[in-house]
Order: sequence, then C-alpha cells, then structure tokens
Amino acid sequence: AQSVTQPDIHITVSEGASLELRCNYSYGATPYLFWYVQSPGQGLQLLLKYFSGDTLVQGIKGFEAEFKRSQSSFNLRKPSVHWSDAAEYFCAVGRALYSSASKIIFGSGTRLSIRP
Amino acid sequence: NAGVTQTPKFRVLKTGQSMTLLCAQDMNHEYMYWYRQDPGMGLRLIHYSVGEGTTAKGEVPDGYNVSRLKKQNFLLGLESAAPSQTSVYFCASSYGGLGLASLNEQFFGPGTRLTVL
Repeated sequence: AQSVTQPDIHITVSEGASLELRCNYSYGATPYLFWYVQSPGQGLQLLLKYFSGDTLVQGIKGFEAEFKRSQSSFNLRKPSVHWSDAAEYFCAVGRALYSSASKIIFGSGTRLSIRP
Repeated sequence: NAGVTQTPKFRVLKTGQSMTLLCAQDMNHEYMYWYRQDPGMGLRLIHYSVGEGTTAKGEVPDGYNVSRLKKQNFLLGLESAAPSQTSVYFCASSYGGLGLASLNEQFFGPGTRLTVL
C-alpha cells in the first residue's frame, strides 16, 4: 500500500534562512508526488507536483522539490523563507488508476513557523 | 469565480444529531472529494465522486453518506453524529479524466470545523 511519511511535525526557521521539509514515500510503482500548502484557516493549495522527467521540480512561491528514487524521498526546499511562508505543508503521493478517479494519500503534515 | 465553497464554516452538534455539509464548485469539475483533517493524521478521504449521480467510498467512509445530484454540488451527511466525527472537513474538486489526467490539481474549499459533544 502506498504511504507518505513526513518525519518533522513542526519546524521553526529564521526569516531569510533556507528551508528543507522532508518527505518519504512508500510505493511499489512510479509515484506521482505532490506538495500542498495550507495557510491558517484556509484550504490546501498545490505548490508543485512531480509526474516524470526532470527530478528537480519548480513550484509556486519560490519552492522547489527534488525527487530521489533511491531514497524514496521528495523533499521540499526554499532558499530564503519569508514570514508569509508560515503554514502547514503536506506531501502527498498519488496512484493513477485507469478505471476510476485516482487516489491521493496525504502525509500528516509539517507545520512551519518563521522566527523574525 | 468563487472556486470551492463550503457551508457552514462552523457547527457544534450533540451526539446523535444529524447534519449535512454542503460543497459547491463553479469550475465545472467532474471530480469532487470529501476529506477530514485530524491532528497528526493529515487528510483522509471519506467519499468521492467522479460525476453527477455517482459516489464511491474512500478510506474512512463509515458514519457518512454523500450525494451528488448536481454536478456542482457534493453533500456530506452525518446521520447520527458521534464525538469521533469531531474534525475539520474539507471539500475538493478537480478536472476529470483517467490515469494521469485524474491526478490533476485538487482545489480545496476553506473547510468546516465540526464539533460533536
């Protein structure tokens, strides 16, 4: 069964510092990977996704993620965080079904706090 | 475009009461989903729909029912609420398709915070 693990429940970084949020997946076939962000009191918004091709994926708001098959990881990075990046971040893995809607499994999330 | 809207935003129920959560989308999306979000557990899929008149069970369907009578609306019902159903409920929608096309971006509503006493 596919699963997603986000080992860090809560991370605090200083404004202007670099950020890396970890995500590990378990899936037997080609994974389709996503990062979503949830600002306080809001729904989730897609940051980026990986389906195939270049393993370094660029997303919105200056985020990027790198797919590493050998490590079963899809870590999210940003070179310099802004106070507005404080939010909860969810990694997700999807499985493409050809007979029905596909299923996306979300990780438990990492809450990011920004230190002024 | 309003995107995905959910009503109500907040609700407190007593055990055994029933209620319906309404989700509406104006993007002409085929697929709609109901998730619940609980601390430390991420989002878990309750039910989903691939089109008007069709619904299917997700990971945690027990205690919930859904209906998709109109393409733009997806209703989530709790027939007899239990404290274990205290959660934040999110509706989402996406374009349809099979295979990779069905993994299109999901657009989320702002959520409904439900407390069952």
